[in-house]
Amino acid sequence: SQQGEEDPQALSIQEGENATMNCSYKTSINNLQWYRQNSGRGLVHLILIRSNEREKHSGRLRVTLDTSKKSSSLLITASRAADTASYFCATESNFGNEKLTFGTGTRLTIIP
Amino acid sequence: DAMVIQNPRYQVTQFGKPVTLSCSQTLNHNVMYWYQQKSSQAPKLLFHYYDKDFNNEADTPDNFQSRRPNTSFCFLDIRSPGLGDAAMYLCATSSVAGETQYFGPGTRLLVL
Repeated sequence: SQQGEEDPQALSIQEGENATMNCSYKTSINNLQWYRQNSGRGLVHLILIRSNEREKHSGRLRVTLDTSKKSSSLLITASRAADTASYFCATESNFGNEKLTFGTGTRLTIIP
Repeated sequence: DAMVIQNPRYQVTQFGKPVTLSCSQTLNHNVMYWYQQKSSQAPKLLFHYYDKDFNNEADTPDNFQSRRPNTSFCFLDIRSPGLGDAAMYLCATSSVAGETQYFGPGTRLLVL
């Protein structure tokens, strides 16, 4: 399977703390993306990082990419109750096959 | 607002009774995807269209078919739903294959 693995599977933290999620993947990639999914809803794109980038920021989000280790991390700073959701990483392989492969996801719960 | 729309949001069908799920987009994107997502799992790609070119995943059952009559609409047909086909079905679009995907809210299918 080409599917990525995310770690941890579930994470609970207090509101205001930082949350870090990790993603590992198996093939060489063109880009890696992070998505959020609220319960019973569709996915929302958060950030895209390309294979030649090492770090990217968007508001309270910080994503890093280490292609030598085939891994990425998503940091959410100053968490809020509204950040409670599942977070998925997704990779586009460099085979040019026009599709994303999603990781297994991390379920994040922010405790007010 | 430009968006991806899925109808219906909830669909109940009987074992073996054909069902069609629909997706429309106002983004004018070339690429449309159908995913199946079961509880607490990653989205699993069923197939995608690049314009009119249909791309089926190797492990997508023959029971699942798709039609894209024009740029805006895409349909998922399940010819003989089984109990194992109960899931959330997600439609997504992308202007560039392999890049950011925009998801609809999903259709939750229940098979009785």
